Amino acid sequence: DAGVIQSPRHEVTEMGQEVTLRCKPISGHNSLFWYRQTMMRGLELLIYFNNNVPIDDSGMPEDRFSAKMPNASFSTLKIQPSEPRDSAVYFCASGFDLGETQYFGPGTRLLVL
Amino acid sequence: QKEVEQNSGPLSVPEGAIASLNCTYSDRGSQSFFWYRQYSGKSPELIMFIYSNGDKEDGRFTAQLNKASQYVSLLIRDSQPSDSATYLCAGLTGFQKLVFGTGTRLLVSP
Repeated sequence: DAGVIQSPRHEVTEMGQEVTLRCKPISGHNSLFWYRQTMMRGLELLIYFNNNVPIDDSGMPEDRFSAKMPNASFSTLKIQPSEPRDSAVYFCASGFDLGETQYFGPGTRLLVL
Repeated sequence: QKEVEQNSGPLSVPEGAIASLNCTYSDRGSQSFFWYRQYSGKSPELIMFIYSNGDKEDGRFTAQLNKASQYVSLLIRDSQPSDSATYLCAGLTGFQKLVFGTGTRLLVSP
């Protein structure tokens, strides 16, 4: 079975540009999580969804960040406008339900110049 | 104080030894704990989880939970060079969120 799929795997952009990260969760999983990982701050939860509904977005750093989950098989994380301090690895994870084991995608390595 | 604390390491052990990785947490509402392994440049992958006080064994891995002391540990027996990675401890909060520690880097030397 396919795991969590993320695209793109690498993204290099210039400050001020819009960045859209995509995620396809494991089929049958009802919960989806977006994380950001940096050396300084480790793995941070940005936002999570259950049954396509955002449950908690308190980890989203600023209004420049937004996330959507229009259906059970697709989610996006958008940064507009991007800044150099947004450079990080962004992971999407999914699970059968809240509180269940989370399975991580391969991540998107974002570099904002 | 971070909700989940880990020593960043590196923890160096010789091949065949027992590696002991430790984690403390501050939220007494956390009931379940997860250990993930992350190789450099890769995504975290689950090793095991524990939600009851005591020990839980899975192959060479043993997770230990002491809720009174707010302490979680992971023991790796017969450590192999392939175990060299960063080990992330995570606690599940009452809001069903996973809060991760910053990870402990383990180096197993041949």
